[in-house]
Amino acid sequence: GENVEQHPSTLSVQEGDSAVIKCTYSDSASNYFPWYKQELGKRPQLIIDIRSNVGEKKDQRIAVTLNKTAKHFSLHITETQPEDSAVYFCAAINGGSQGNLIFGKGTKLSVKP
Amino acid sequence: DADVTQTPRNRITKTGKRIMLECSQTKGHDRMYWYRQDPGLGLQLIYYSFDVKDINKGEISDGYSVSRQAQAKFSLSLESAIPNQTALYFCATSDPRQGKHGYTFGSGTRLTVV
Repeated sequence: GENVEQHPSTLSVQEGDSAVIKCTYSDSASNYFPWYKQELGKRPQLIIDIRSNVGEKKDQRIAVTLNKTAKHFSLHITETQPEDSAVYFCAAINGGSQGNLIFGKGTKLSVKP
Repeated sequence: DADVTQTPRNRITKTGKRIMLECSQTKGHDRMYWYRQDPGLGLQLIYYSFDVKDINKGEISDGYSVSRQAQAKFSLSLESAIPNQTALYFCATSDPRQGKHGYTFGSGTRLTVV
């Protein structure tokens, strides 16, 4: 089955700097890769996703890149703000598009004012 | 608003007790999931259901059971609760047929077993 590794587990940046979180996956059939943000005490919420036929996707200050050959994908947050502080999870579909999501263990991002 | 609702939000129970966590959704999604969240371990899949007649075990199903009472309802039971089942539990839904592979999560149930 799918296995998703996420690094780093914690990340601290100064406000205005960029943050990058990286994930690797094992199942070459996986074709959907979402990212979730979980603020303290709240539910995980989808912030951006990418499908395997696209190499990069942007939404304002966040972007996701995908390297299918190397089986890794990354979340990039530019011009970080204190409200970006949260736990971020990457995920990959298990067993192709009909499977269920397998999550990484999360990255706790702290943005210091 | 269409959403995923979990009850209760918080629960403290004693070791050995049976407890049920409930999830209902108004999104019309076919697929429903139960995840457990522990600090540093991310989200671990307990059970999932692709429709009312389709129930599947996830990564950590031991000690848990589920019931899909209707398309909109998916319950998680702990038959005999133990302290290491203390965790935050999330229900989620998705519907790939609608192109919605991403999950919508409920607000979570914080369970403490003493």
